[in-house]
Order: sequence, then C-alpha cells, then structure tokens
Amino acid sequence: GQNIDQPTEMTATEGAIVQINCTYQTSGFNGLFWYQQHAGEAPTFLSYNVLDGLEEKGRFSSFLSRSKGYSYLLLKELQMKDSASYLCAVLDSNYQLIWGAGTKLIIKP
Amino acid sequence: IAGITQAPTSQILAAGRRMTLRCTQDMRHNAMYWYRQDLGLGLRLIHYSNTAGTTGKGEVPDGYSVSRANTDDFPLTLASAVPSQTSVYFCASSDSTGGNEQFFGPGTRLTVL
Repeated sequence: GQNIDQPTEMTATEGAIVQINCTYQTSGFNGLFWYQQHAGEAPTFLSYNVLDGLEEKGRFSSFLSRSKGYSYLLLKELQMKDSASYLCAVLDSNYQLIWGAGTKLIIKP
Repeated sequence: IAGITQAPTSQILAAGRRMTLRCTQDMRHNAMYWYRQDLGLGLRLIHYSNTAGTTGKGEVPDGYSVSRANTDDFPLTLASAVPSQTSVYFCASSDSTGGNEQFFGPGTRLTVL
C-alpha cells in the first residue's frame, strides 16, 4: 500500500529552527509537495521537490532524497504565525496526490 | 470571484438526505479535485476531473458523485447522506495533473446526523 509518515505534533520556540520529517512509500513518484494549513483554513502551497537536494525559499527550505524515500521541511527564524499544520504529499504514478496526516507545529514564545 | 470558492460554508444534514456541495474556480484550471479531511487522517481524494467533460474516482468515491459540465464548476453530490460522511470537504484545482500546485477552496464543514 501507499504510506506517508510524518510526526503528529512538534513544539518549537519563537526564533528557533525546526525540521519536520516525512517518509514515504508510494507506487511511483512524480514529486513531493509541502503545504501549510492553519486551523480552520484551507491548505496553501509551500514547496515542490522532484529532484534530490535542497530547495530554499526565504525562511522555508525543503529537502528530498528519492533513494531514501525521505523529505524534510526546514523552518528558520520561527514566528508565532508559523503555528500551523504542515502537510507532506507525494504525487504517485497516476499523478494523484497521496497525503500524510500532517504535523501540527506549536510555537512557544 | 477570486480563486476558488465553495458553498455552503457549513451544513447540518439529516441522514438519508441528498446534498450538493458547490465548487467554482475562475483560474481556468483544467484539473479539479474533491477531498475530505478527517481528524488524524490525511486528505483523501474522493473524485477528480482532469478536464471539462471527464471525471474519475479517487481513493474514497463510494456514496459520492461528481459532474464537470464546464471548466469552472465541479459540484459534489451525496445521494443519501450517512453519518460517516461527516467531514470537512475541500475542493481544489490545478493547471494540470502534473507537478503543478493545487489551489484549495475554503472548505465545507458537513455534519450528518
């Protein structure tokens, strides 16, 4: 079967750095997405990786290793507004997104 | 309209009733999707449409139907609602089915009693 694993919840301090991991086992791979979802709101796009390596976009970076079935989202200089759930999703061989359950990130002052 | 809209925002429905959730996008995206999101689970794909006039089944299609008469609209119908269909429903669209990001509507919170 297809499976996306990410931690259920993480806590970090304002101004710090946090890394949210995602491992996947899917039928085929056509890229990996990270989305942010604030409570009660819709998911919004953060990043897309299809090749191995690190993609940096401001305070957020996303890393992919296809051979290990592994990705992480790195958030720097954490702000209170970063408190949200972070969703990892893989585009499978049928070009359908398979979603992880999400990681709830709690930022403390 | 800016982006993708859904209606209603929330609904309480008696079991056995028929319900249509509406979704409209103005981005001229070819592909549209319906997901349900339940606590502790990832988003699950119900149905999708790669282009106007075509639809396909996702991971959890039973009890739901869709139509795609034009590019902009993608309604989701529950023919006879059951309590297990209590969920938050998100409609999404993308320019294509490849590596393009999906844009999400604000969601419909549905409770079936």
